Parts: sequence; structure tokens; C-alpha cells
Amino acid sequence: AQSVTQLDSQVPVFEEAPVELRCNYSSSVSVYLFWYVQYPNQGLQLLLKYLSGSTLVKGINGFEAEFNKSQTSFHLRKPSVHISDTAEYFCAVSAPGTASKLTFGTGTRLQVTL
Amino acid sequence: ETGVTQTPRHLVMGMTNKKSLKCEQHLGHNAMYWYKQSAKKPLELMFVYNFKEQTENNSVPSRFSPECPNSSHLFLHLHTLQPEDSALYLCASSRGGGQMDGYTFGSGTRLTVV
Repeated sequence: AQSVTQLDSQVPVFEEAPVELRCNYSSSVSVYLFWYVQYPNQGLQLLLKYLSGSTLVKGINGFEAEFNKSQTSFHLRKPSVHISDTAEYFCAVSAPGTASKLTFGTGTRLQVTL
Repeated sequence: ETGVTQTPRHLVMGMTNKKSLKCEQHLGHNAMYWYKQSAKKPLELMFVYNFKEQTENNSVPSRFSPECPNSSHLFLHLHTLQPEDSALYLCASSRGGGQMDGYTFGSGTRLTVV
């Protein structure tokens, strides 16, 4: 079974500053990793995913994440945030296999202020 | 549009009412999911359907009754709910198996039990 830990429940940041949202996973097999964003009263939207290959993954809205197998991490970064990036961000993990499901972290609230 | 449509968007119901939530996808996905999202709590997986068959029920109270008549439609029938059942109910779908694409979520139904 896989698990994922999001170390920060809230991350406050000023507009135009860089941000990193942390995600660590646990798995005994190879993994697929995902970041989702949820705006207020909306569903979750896929930001980016890592399946294999290049460890640096670029997603929508200027976000990127780096897969680090040795540290079992998949941190999400953006070099300059905007007010509109204020949302809840979820990291998720799954594994290859027909019975695999996504396992979600508890979420990180990104609050961008002027 | 996310490709997964949930209706209604908002629902207020009394504890003695019976109502149903509807989820529809035309993405050709074979798996569908119900999640409950309460304030300050992690996403809770409620039910999983694969090819119209229920494959997971995470100890959900019987006052929640799912129905999946075909791979494109998923319902959640509600009766004699409690105030603590107030939450955002999210539907998701996926191709099933391997989860390389992740899940596609609907915008959710905000349920308030009075």
C-alpha cells in the first residue's frame, strides 16, 4: 500500500514570491505521483503528474514538481505566485496495477497575499 | 467543464428527507468514485465502482446508498441524514487500472443537513 504526507497544512506567501509545497510518499513499489488543486467550492483539478522518465515535471499555471526517489519526495514549486493561486493543493500517489487507487494527502492551503 | 458533471451543486435537506446526488461522465471511463470532503478533514473515499460493480465500501453508514446503473452514471441516495453529514460530496472517474491518468473530478455537491 502507498501513503502520502503533506507536511504543511497552511503556507502563507506574498504575491510574486516563490513557494514550495512539500509532499513525501511511502511505497514498496514504483509509484505514480500527482498534484491536484482545489479552488473554493470546486472539485480537484490535475496540476501535473509524474509517471516515469524526467524527474522534473511541468504542469499548468506555471507550477512544476521534482520527483526525488532517494528522498521519496515530490515537492511542488512555483517561482512567482499570484493571488489567484490561493487554493488547496493535494498530493496523491498510486502504483501500477489494475487494482490501484489514488491515495491523497491531507492537503496544503496556499494563501497568497499582497 | 471538467468532463464530470454533478447535480445539484447545492442541496439543503432535513434529516427526514430523501434526496439523491447525481454524477455523470462521458469520458469513456470505467471507474467511478464518491468522496466526502468535510471542513478540516482529509478526503474520505466512500465508494468505488468498476465496470458498474461496487468494488469498495469504506464502512459508510447505510443512510448513504450508491447506485451505478451504467459506467457513465453514478448516484448517491441519501435518507435520514445527520447534521454531521453536511459536507462537499465529490464524484470522480478514471479509466481504471494503473491510474496513469489520475482521476477527473466533478465540481461537487455542497450538502447541508438541517
